[in-house]
Amino acid sequence: KAGVTQTPRYLIKTRGQQVTLSCSPISGHRSVSWYQQTPGQGLQFLFEYFSETQRNKGNFPGRFSGRQFSNSRSEMNVSTLELGDSALYLCASSFTGYETQYFGPGTRLLVL
Amino acid sequence: QQQVKQSPQSLIVQKGGISIINCAYENTAFDYFPWYQQFPGKGPALLIAIRPDVSEKKEGRFTISFNKSAKQFSLHIMDSQPGDSATYFCAADSTGTASKLTFGTGTRLQVTL
Repeated sequence: KAGVTQTPRYLIKTRGQQVTLSCSPISGHRSVSWYQQTPGQGLQFLFEYFSETQRNKGNFPGRFSGRQFSNSRSEMNVSTLELGDSALYLCASSFTGYETQYFGPGTRLLVL
Repeated sequence: QQQVKQSPQSLIVQKGGISIINCAYENTAFDYFPWYQQFPGKGPALLIAIRPDVSEKKEGRFTISFNKSAKQFSLHIMDSQPGDSATYFCAADSTGTASKLTFGTGTRLQVTL
């Protein structure tokens, strides 16, 4: 069974731009969560989607948004990028959100 | 604030020794406590997880000990191997879910020969 895949793996953007990251969950998984990992703040929960609906949301500004498609694939969007948005963005999936989450390899975003 | 405090920040253990990492939490609503292992350039991978209805869970060389009254839980790695050298994160979640994890700050483990 294929694992969680994330594209692209690396991304360089400049301040003020926007970016869209993609996540394909493990087949059959309907819950997709996004996390931001930085050296300073560690791993922080962004939001979770289940059946195309945002079910849980972390404490991030509205510049961070996401969506989920009918095939459970999810995208995360960050608008008006700031230097502090440089991070590893991780996606994780599970069947319903009540079991083990499996993480993808992440997308490393660098904002210049 | 829903925090999970993890210690130590780094740990050096000799091969064959026991590695112990501790976490403490404040939110009594937490009811799911996983430990994740992360290698450089990779996403976190679940090692072992526990729910508060048991005080200990063992899987191979990895054991979680859970103390509900003290709001603490710990990871013990027995017979530590160089391949165990990685960063370990404890985490917690509430309301039965496992999809909105609050993570500890991580422990960088180095197992020496």
